[in-house]
Amino acid sequence: KQEVTQIPAALSVPEGENLVLNCSFTDSAIYNLQWFRQDPGKGLTSLLLIQSSQREQTSGRLNASLDKSSGRSTLYIAASQPGDSATYLCAVRPQNSGGSNYKLTFGKGTLLTVNP
Amino acid sequence: DTEVTQTPKHLVMGMTNKKSLKCEQHMGHRAMYWYKQKAKKPPELMFVYSYEKLSINESVPSRFSPECPNSSLLNLHLHALQPEDSALYLCASSQVSVSPLHFGNGTRLTVT
Repeated sequence: KQEVTQIPAALSVPEGENLVLNCSFTDSAIYNLQWFRQDPGKGLTSLLLIQSSQREQTSGRLNASLDKSSGRSTLYIAASQPGDSATYLCAVRPQNSGGSNYKLTFGKGTLLTVNP
Repeated sequence: DTEVTQTPKHLVMGMTNKKSLKCEQHMGHRAMYWYKQKAKKPPELMFVYSYEKLSINESVPSRFSPECPNSSLLNLHLHALQPEDSALYLCASSQVSVSPLHFGNGTRLTVT
């Protein structure tokens, strides 16, 4: 059974700092990995999706990497801003076919606070 | 603004009430999902519709009844809920099974 772990559970940084959020998974048979952010009481906003064949994806100040063989992904946020404060979740999609592709396994998230 | 629209944003209902949650997307996505999220927990999958057919039911109690009237709409009918069913209910869609998920902003449900 796939397990996804996110470390740290919470992180507080001063504005302007570069930071890294970690996501690890136990089964390397994944199709892709998706990073989301969630603001309090809101839905999830998709940030980046990395296919299993890719090493990294970039969008603005965000860079996500994937090392499938070691079961790890990182989300790098450059020059953090107070508006980046949110919970960040990673989710992996299994490689299996037959319907189980629909079932993402989520980590518990990292609560990020960026202080002005 | 999200491309997946959920109504209502908030809902308070008694245990004997019948209510429905609605979800709409106009991105042409063929898979639609219902998730339940409790505070400080990740979303839990409830149902998946693929091409308007129910593909996955994660052993959800029958007091939750999903419906997909067409490719753009997804409903969740609620009846005889329990206080422990209070949660944020999230709808999501994807183009196909392996495509990125797009979430709505959810319905905050309180069962009294």
